[in-house]
Amino acid sequence: EAGVVQSPRYKIIEKKQPVAFWCNPISGHNTLYWYRQNLGQGPELLIRYENEEAVDDSQLPKDRFSAERLKGVDSTLKIQPAELGDSAVYLCASSLDPAGDDEQFFGPGTRLTVL
Amino acid sequence: LAKTTQPISMDSYEGQEVNITCSHNNIATNDYITWYQQFPSQGPRFIIQGYKTKVTNEVASLFIPADRKSSTLSLPRVSLSDTAVYYCLVYNQGGKLIFGQGTELSVKP
Repeated sequence: EAGVVQSPRYKIIEKKQPVAFWCNPISGHNTLYWYRQNLGQGPELLIRYENEEAVDDSQLPKDRFSAERLKGVDSTLKIQPAELGDSAVYLCASSLDPAGDDEQFFGPGTRLTVL
Repeated sequence: LAKTTQPISMDSYEGQEVNITCSHNNIATNDYITWYQQFPSQGPRFIIQGYKTKVTNEVASLFIPADRKSSTLSLPRVSLSDTAVYYCLVYNQGGKLIFGQGTELSVKP
């Protein structure tokens, strides 16, 4: 069974440029998460979807970050414009059950470097 | 915003038992405590989950006291391949999903 797929794996951009990350969760998983992980720290939740509905986006910096999951399957996270402090690994995860305690399956992440 | 607290790093030798404790004073009443393992350049991977007392699976045990304000991940007889970062994950009373800052475990031969 395929795991969570993320692309690209690496991205280098200059500040003020836009960037987008794509995630395809495990088939049948209704809940999708986007996290940001800074070096040496734990993942920080940005947004959680149940199907196509964003049920928790309280920690998403909405001035520059946006996300969508139009058909309740794959998702895109966008940053526009990127800032130097956005350099991090962006992780996508999915889980089967809408309950927040369900085991999360993580993708390999996208490492973003903003110059 | 409530946070979880873990030791930043731990060292061990092959064959030893390793215990990693996470403090989560503001844990939500009805939610589970989950532990994840992360290797470099990979996403975290589920290890074990529990609500209270003790849970054991094929790779680890999880001890949770009655007040649930902390939890201890126990790895029996670690090997070199257990060298990784270990995270606890809880929901706090504000309904926020919180990862700990991670414990970097180094297993030496």
